[in-house]
Order: sequence, then C-alpha cells, then structure tokens
Amino acid sequence: EAGVTQSPTHLIKTRGQQATLRCSPISGHTSVYWYQQALGLGLQFLLWYDEGEERNRGNFPPRFSGRQFPNYSSELNVNALELEDSTLYLCASSLGVGSNQPQHFGDGTRLSIL
Amino acid sequence: AQRVTQPEKLLSVFKGAPVELKCNYSYSGSPELFWYVQYSRQRLQLLLRHISRESIKGFTADLNKGETSFHLKKPFAQEEDSAMYYCAPPDSWGKLQFGAGTQVVVTP
Repeated sequence: EAGVTQSPTHLIKTRGQQATLRCSPISGHTSVYWYQQALGLGLQFLLWYDEGEERNRGNFPPRFSGRQFPNYSSELNVNALELEDSTLYLCASSLGVGSNQPQHFGDGTRLSIL
Repeated sequence: AQRVTQPEKLLSVFKGAPVELKCNYSYSGSPELFWYVQYSRQRLQLLLRHISRESIKGFTADLNKGETSFHLKKPFAQEEDSAMYYCAPPDSWGKLQFGAGTQVVVTP
C-alpha cells in the first residue's frame, strides 16, 4: 500500500510570493490534515479536510488556506510568504472522521523563504 | 483550550534502563489514545494505540482516566529507541492533538 506522498520535497520562495504544497493520501482515506513542524515547537495543526470540506482550522492567519479535491488529494496554499514560514510542512491522512482513526504521515515539504 | 502536556523536552537514559515518557491531556471524551515516534530522518509513525493494544518496539502505555494521563513505558531501553516521541489524544473534534514531544536519547 502506497503511503502518504507530498510534493515537492523542497520549495524555495522569496518573501511576498505564494507557495502551493500538495498531498496525496493513502488510498481509501478521506481525511487530510496539514501541520507545521518547527524545531522545538512540535506539530502545529493547520487545517483538516474531510470529504472535500474544511472541518477544522488551527490558529493561523487566513493567508494559510487549502482545499481538498474529489480524489481526496489536497493542497496547502500560503500567500504573502514571510520569513517565519520557513519550516517543514507535514501532511497526514486517516480513514475519516472519528477519534479512533490514527493518522498516517508523509515525509513533508520543506519550505524555505529567502 | 484543550491541552496535551509532555513535561519532559529531553530524556536521557542508559541502555538497558527503564524509560517512561509522561503525557497528560485535558479532554477525556475519547477512549482511544495514541503515541507517535519520529526516528532521525524518518517520517512520523504510529508507535502505539490504546484500544487495540497495537504497539511496536516493545512499548506499553498506561491510561489513567482519573489523572487523564497516558504515560509511555519500556522496561529496557535500546539505542535504537533514541527518537522524538509525541503523545496524541483526540480532541473534541475527533482529530488528534499532538504534544510538544519528548526527545529520548539512549546512551550505551
């Protein structure tokens, strides 16, 4: 079974630009989650999509947005990039809504802002 | 706000010694809790889930509903257990909430 895949592996942008990160969940999984993983801060929850709808949002500004497509893949968009956005972004997927569902993670996209 | 607390940022133990990672959480509405592990240069992976008792690498976790704690234990630490460990109970939305993590270093 193919795991969660994220692309690109590394993305280099400059301040003020927009970044688009992509995630393909495990086949059969309908929920996709996005996190920031910054050194020393653990995982900071960004967004949760299930069945194409945004289910929950973390404490991040509106320039962080995303969507989920009919095939359950997802995009994370970050507008007006700032230097502090430089970090690792993780995507995870699960079988769907329900607190007994573990999340399965991808390798992440490292976003670097110059 | 719902919280997950892992009080130790860094835990250093000797090989063969017992290791215990503490986790306390505030929302107790779900019977299922998880621990995740991230080895160096690897993706975050599921280590243990409470209800099914699924576990890898010989770890166990004790759920104490009264104290809302879910501490992770292993009787004899191995060098390959050096990693970052995250406690992840569900929140009231049903999604996992992750603690800040505990870095475990096992020295020979």
